[in-house]
Amino acid sequence: EDQVTQSPEALRLQEGESSSLNCSYTVSGLRGLFWYRQDPGKGPEFLFTLYSAGEEKEKERLKATLTKKESFLHITAPKPEDSATYLCAVQGGAQKLVFGQGTRLTINP
Amino acid sequence: DADVTQTPRNRITKTGKRIMLECSQTKGHDRMYWYRQDPGLGLQLIYYSFDVKDINKGEISDGYSVSRQAQAKFSLSLESAIPNQTALYFCATSDFRGGANVLTFGAGSRLTVL
Repeated sequence: EDQVTQSPEALRLQEGESSSLNCSYTVSGLRGLFWYRQDPGKGPEFLFTLYSAGEEKEKERLKATLTKKESFLHITAPKPEDSATYLCAVQGGAQKLVFGQGTRLTINP
Repeated sequence: DADVTQTPRNRITKTGKRIMLECSQTKGHDRMYWYRQDPGLGLQLIYYSFDVKDINKGEISDGYSVSRQAQAKFSLSLESAIPNQTALYFCATSDFRGGANVLTFGAGSRLTVL
């Protein structure tokens, strides 16, 4: 059974304080690992897809990396507008996405 | 207009009532999904459809049914609502990029069952 565990559940940082969010996963035949951002009261918004170990993708202050067992979302010099819940999901051979419970990130000015 | 539109956005109902949540999309995607989100539990898949003639149960389909009326429309029904179905419901569509389903979500429908 495909599983995703995200840590920490919540993270509070000061503006400019870099950190990383973790996504540990088990999946049968990885087809893709996804990161989404969710703002309160809204639907998740797609950020990245990673397809194989060693792959990295960047968008503004965010950088996602992938190994065979986990993915990290690195946030460099965050701003208050980066505050959101970040969701990780995996897709295996069954073509269904399995989501983690999310990390709630708060950036204080 | 949003790519994925859900109606209603908020609904309060009573135990035993029949409820329908509707979803329409302008993305032109064949694949559509219904998810449920509860605090601390992440997103759980209720039903999914890879084309108009294809309907599949997800992890938590008991107490729910769906109808795929057209490529662009996918409805979720609660035949007899119960309080533990109080949750935030999301519809999503996907295209199939490089073998991976990239989901586009609607804004959500918040359902409260009293």
